[in-house]
Amino acid sequence: GENVEQHPSTLSVQEGDSAVIKCTYSDSASNYFPWYKQELGKGPQLIIDIRSNVGEKKDQRIAVTLNKTAKHFSLHITETQPEDSAVYFCAASNYQAGTALIFGKGTTLSVSS
Amino acid sequence: ETGVTQTPRHLVMGMTNKKSLKCEQHLGHNAMYWYKQSAKKPLELMFVYSLEERVENNSVPSRFSPECPNSSHLFLHLHTLQPEDSALYLCASSQVGRGNTEAFFGQGTRLTVV
Repeated sequence: GENVEQHPSTLSVQEGDSAVIKCTYSDSASNYFPWYKQELGKGPQLIIDIRSNVGEKKDQRIAVTLNKTAKHFSLHITETQPEDSAVYFCAASNYQAGTALIFGKGTTLSVSS
Repeated sequence: ETGVTQTPRHLVMGMTNKKSLKCEQHLGHNAMYWYKQSAKKPLELMFVYSLEERVENNSVPSRFSPECPNSSHLFLHLHTLQPEDSALYLCASSQVGRGNTEAFFGQGTRLTVV
């Protein structure tokens, strides 16, 4: 089955800096890679996703890149703000087969002002 | 609100108790999931129901018993749990089979087994 590794487990940055979180996956059949943000006391919420037919996707300060050959994908947050502080999870699945999302262990991002 | 509602939000139970967690989705999705979230561990997939049929059971102990009476409701029945079962239990739903796979999560039930 699919296995997703996520690094780092914790990340501290200064407000305005960039933050990068990296994930690798094992199943070459996976073709859908979402990123979720979880704030304290809440369930994870989707912030951006990418499918395997594209290499990069951007939404304002957030971008995701995908390298299918190397089986890794990354989340990039630019101009970080204190409200970006949360736990971020990457995940992988096969959307055509309808498989469930398999998650990484999460990265706790702290943005200090 | 994400459209996925879980009750109760918090639950404390003894090891000999029987309790149930409830999840309801108002999004018209055809798949529902139970995940377990423990400290310093990834979100662990427990059960998947697609079109009201269980399609996955990742070696979850039998003291956890899921039930999906219809596409909008999902239950997790708990009995004779262990302290290590204390965790946040998250329900999610998605629409599979049409290429739109975003999963929406509820806020979770924080379970403490004493």
